[in-house]
Formats: sequence, C-alpha cells, structure tokens
Amino acid sequence: GDSVTQMEGPVTLSEEAFLTINCTYTATGYPSLFWYVQYPGEGLQLLLKATKADDKGSNKGFEATYRKETTSFHLEKGSVQVSDSAVYFCALRMDSNYQLIWGAGTKLIIKP
Amino acid sequence: DAGITQSPRHKVTETGTPVTLRCHQTENHRYMYWYRQDPGHGLRLIHYSYGVKDTDKGEVSDGYSVSRSKTEDFLLTLESATSSQTSVYFCAISESQDRGDGNEQFFGPGTRLTVL
Repeated sequence: GDSVTQMEGPVTLSEEAFLTINCTYTATGYPSLFWYVQYPGEGLQLLLKATKADDKGSNKGFEATYRKETTSFHLEKGSVQVSDSAVYFCALRMDSNYQLIWGAGTKLIIKP
Repeated sequence: DAGITQSPRHKVTETGTPVTLRCHQTENHRYMYWYRQDPGHGLRLIHYSYGVKDTDKGEVSDGYSVSRSKTEDFLLTLESATSSQTSVYFCAISESQDRGDGNEQFFGPGTRLTVL
C-alpha cells in the first residue's frame, strides 16, 4: 500500500545551519505531497505542499521539490533558527482516496 | 487561524468508562476528521465525516464511534476506554478533497487522553 518514510530523529543543528529532512514515498499513482509542522503543545499546521512532479512548495524559508523519479519530497531550509524547533511530518494523498498517509515525524532541535 | 476547538484539552479516565471528545469548527467546512497521534506512528485516521450524518471508518476505527448532527460539531466516543487508547487526539477539517486549493487540512489543538 501507499506509505511515507521519513528520516528518524531527533535532528540536532546549530542556529544558521542548513537543514535537510528526507522524505520518500511509495504510491501506485501520482499523489499530492505535504509537509506539516507541529510546534510543542500545538496541533499540526500545513507548511507547504506540491501537487505534481517538479512542483516546488515553499513557505517561511522552507522548500521541498516533488521528485517523481526518486519518489522524494525532501524538506530544506538554508539557515535555521531556534524557533524552527518542532516536529515535521511528511504526508501524501492520492486523488482516489481522501486520506492523508503520514510519515512518523522528525523532531528538529535547533541550538543557539 | 482556522476556528477549531477541541474539548476537553486533557482528560484522565479509568478503563471501562465511556469518553466523548468534542470538535467544534466555525469555518463551515464540509469534511471533518479524527486522528490519534502516538510516538513512532505519526497520525492515524480514526473516522471522518463528509457531511452531516455522513461518516466513515478510517485506519484504526475499532473501539471508536463518531457522530455529526450539525456541520460544526464532530464527536468521538470511546464506548469503553482501554489503556491502548491513551493517546493525543486531533480533530481536523477541510473544505474539499480535490487536488486543487481547499484540500488543506486544518488541525485543532488536540486532546490528551490518559486511560488508567
């Protein structure tokens, strides 16, 4: 079945470092792809999304490109801040199925 | 921020007791969802609703029931709570389920449920 695999955390970086959080997926068709962020004690918020191959989603300095050839949607940011500390979830959704399929989440810790 | 509230925010209960969690939205969105979040599992869909009185099961529906008598309210009931249902429960809403804009899911703040 469809699935999402994220790199295990926690990922610990220093402020201003470059961030990559890997996400790969398995799907029988062409899903829409999403990154959500969960700050401590809060619900999830959509960070960015892409609905077709080669689309780049971007928001708040974060970017992710839909790569069909590698079935990946890696999250990147050029210079992280302490306020980016959170748990990041990758998810996919097929047109044929309303459900979001979630990765396990990657905890990001940014140290000053 | 999308207008979604959940109540209660925290609850401790004992095994075998019934529990009802409430999700309330002010966005008039058609679709509503209940998820549970557990370490190492991400989010898993329990039930969802595609309109008033229209609901369907998700991935982990056993032991849970839902009801939606009004657009704005979606209730999740644990008929007889078990320790395996200790989790954080999130409600979400979306305007549509199409590929285009509007299919984003907005999440409530969550309910932390502990079953002793």
